[in-house]
Amino acid sequence: QSALTQPASVSGSPGQSITISCTGTSRDVGNYNLVSWFQQYPGKAPTLMIYEVSKRPSGISYRFSGSKSGNTASLTISGLQAEDEADYYCCSYVGSSTRVFGGGTRLTVL
Amino acid sequence: QMQLQESGPGLVKPSETLSLTCHVSGGPTTTRDYYWAWIRQPPGKGLEWVGSIYINGNTYYTPPLKSRVTISIDTSRNTFSLNLRSVTAADTAVYYCVRQPVVDGFDIWGQGTMVTVSS
Repeated sequence: QSALTQPASVSGSPGQSITISCTGTSRDVGNYNLVSWFQQYPGKAPTLMIYEVSKRPSGISYRFSGSKSGNTASLTISGLQAEDEADYYCCSYVGSSTRVFGGGTRLTVL
Repeated sequence: QMQLQESGPGLVKPSETLSLTCHVSGGPTTTRDYYWAWIRQPPGKGLEWVGSIYINGNTYYTPPLKSRVTISIDTSRNTFSLNLRSVTAADTAVYYCVRQPVVDGFDIWGQGTMVTVSS
């Protein structure tokens, strides 16, 4: 199984909206509604932000939303804030109870 | 509030076995609602799912590591463990133990432990 494809970096200004894509194949992202997203600050463990494509865990801001179209999942952050600057990773189910992560995207808030 | 904490050597010699244990507190590992997983992150690189174990003992591993990895669980001690055999420098990483809801996601993470493979 190959890693999912994410842009290496994205950027946006405070208040704007940004979208991070996560492209897989018809064997993973396209075949299951089991995509999750994680936020990671430097030197810290990741935090679950989205699961099952679009569900938010308790305590996660409504500014974070997830969606999927075909083989590509997306994480959208609205009303960008300085504290959103971090690395973001997607993860998909790929069958047989296995998972694969994307390569990660660094978000810079300008 | 459940917490996970990794323990084990921070330095392992090439060709030897990397062994880590995850101590789970604040809840049982016997719950049927979760898998228990290991995820690693080489320095400066992305996350890699290593494998997961369910309460019935069923294990699932990432194909590239399947021949070298074993995950086990000890419900009497509320721990689960990772053994990775024949390590090389490419196995140098921060290793996280993680709670994995049966449906999707990884929702509670340990702080991570850095393991360096070097002679």
